[in-house]
Amino acid sequence: DAGVIQSPRHEVTEMGQEVTLRCKPISGHDYLFWYRQTMMRGLELLIYFNNNVPIDDSGMPEDRFSAKMPNASFSTLKIQPSEPRDSAVYFCASRLAASYEQYFGPGTRLTVT
Amino acid sequence: LAKTTQPISMDSYEGQEVNITCSHNNIATNDYITWYQQFPSQGPRFIIQGYKTKVTNEVASLFIPADRKSSTLSLPRVSLSDTAVYYCLVGEPHPTDNNAGNMLTFGGGTRLMVKP
Repeated sequence: DAGVIQSPRHEVTEMGQEVTLRCKPISGHDYLFWYRQTMMRGLELLIYFNNNVPIDDSGMPEDRFSAKMPNASFSTLKIQPSEPRDSAVYFCASRLAASYEQYFGPGTRLTVT
Repeated sequence: LAKTTQPISMDSYEGQEVNITCSHNNIATNDYITWYQQFPSQGPRFIIQGYKTKVTNEVASLFIPADRKSSTLSLPRVSLSDTAVYYCLVGEPHPTDNNAGNMLTFGGGTRLMVKP
């Protein structure tokens, strides 16, 4: 398996623009997680899905953030409108139901100017 | 919520054994202890997981005392490539998701620097 795939790897956008981050989990994994990592706040869990259903989005910072998982092989994290404070590395991870081991993607480095 | 406390940074030299201790005084009965490693510009990578006593794999050993209020990750004979951030996590059962331990909370981690 190719592992968790994220795109794009780098995104530079201007404040106010819409940003969409994409993730393809490992085939067969039941859970999908979205994290955000910054120097100040470390690695934060934003939302996670179980069998394509959002279970907990309490980590989503505000209404500007939304995430979807239309099928078992694809998820998106959207920020609209983006702000400079959203600049961070966004990771997607997936895992099997009966395991604590999460497999992380390479991340998307987002810069909002 | 079980929280973890670990040293912010550690230095070591090539060939030495490195032990990183993590405190988790409020660990729950059904919580497992998991360690991840993160290299710069990469996502975290699973190293090892345990519940009690000792667990060993090809990469590391994990020592957990009987009270489970702490754990120690042991890296034998480190090399320069082991320079990374190491995270200790405990599983936190989610109130509406029966599959316990989904919400792994990452703390600040320990930045290990291995010197030649």
